[in-house]
Amino acid sequence: QQQVKQSPQSLIVQKGGIPIINCAYENTAFDYFPWYQQFPGKGPALLIAIRPDVSEKKEGRFTISFNKSAKQFSLHIMDSQPGDSATYFCAASIRGTSGSRLTFGEGTQLTVNP
Amino acid sequence: EAQVTQNPRYLITVTGKKLTVTCSQNMNHEYMSWYRQDPGLGLRQIYYSMNVEVTDKGDVPEGYKVSRKEKRNFPLILESPSPNQTSLYFCASSLFAQQRTSGYTFGSGTRLTVV
Repeated sequence: QQQVKQSPQSLIVQKGGIPIINCAYENTAFDYFPWYQQFPGKGPALLIAIRPDVSEKKEGRFTISFNKSAKQFSLHIMDSQPGDSATYFCAASIRGTSGSRLTFGEGTQLTVNP
Repeated sequence: EAQVTQNPRYLITVTGKKLTVTCSQNMNHEYMSWYRQDPGLGLRQIYYSMNVEVTDKGDVPEGYKVSRKEKRNFPLILESPSPNQTSLYFCASSLFAQQRTSGYTFGSGTRLTVV
């Protein structure tokens, strides 16, 4: 059972376009929502993260929009570049007595054409 | 350089032959975790560890074992590998068990094929 659903599975845009990746979750106990970026042959790396008491967070060309009532959040990449071509994972974290548990979405393979 | 090191990067083995994938971090992180990555399924947690001698099951622990005898090392053990364990494996670490702004640091991955 996938607790965090991510779409689309793949996405192709032209340079300068604004790809949008969406995620939805069910568990209202999730309290931290990071996005990870993964290049081929590498491990995922933290890109940007948001807490549910904030509706938007921007870091450089990357923006997270968060809709707590709809239990959805999305990643927007402004002025996308070929170097942004990678797999993107959304995730949701829940605190537990054994530490935080991070649940990942299925991933989105983004291709930015020159 | 702060990093999580996994070995080997690639491994082909036969069904039933015990194997160990090593993971070491040099950041004095409390929290370590193993994930497997499969197409269309994202990353799924296998086991995690809050600190030395403290480990717990993740979402897909069947067929795997771990140990945390030292803070820096967190090996993943497959006692009797099967073809459905063919996957890309990642070790990750975090400064604190309740990770927040620092996020996880991932290793470069181990691609395992069981024939």
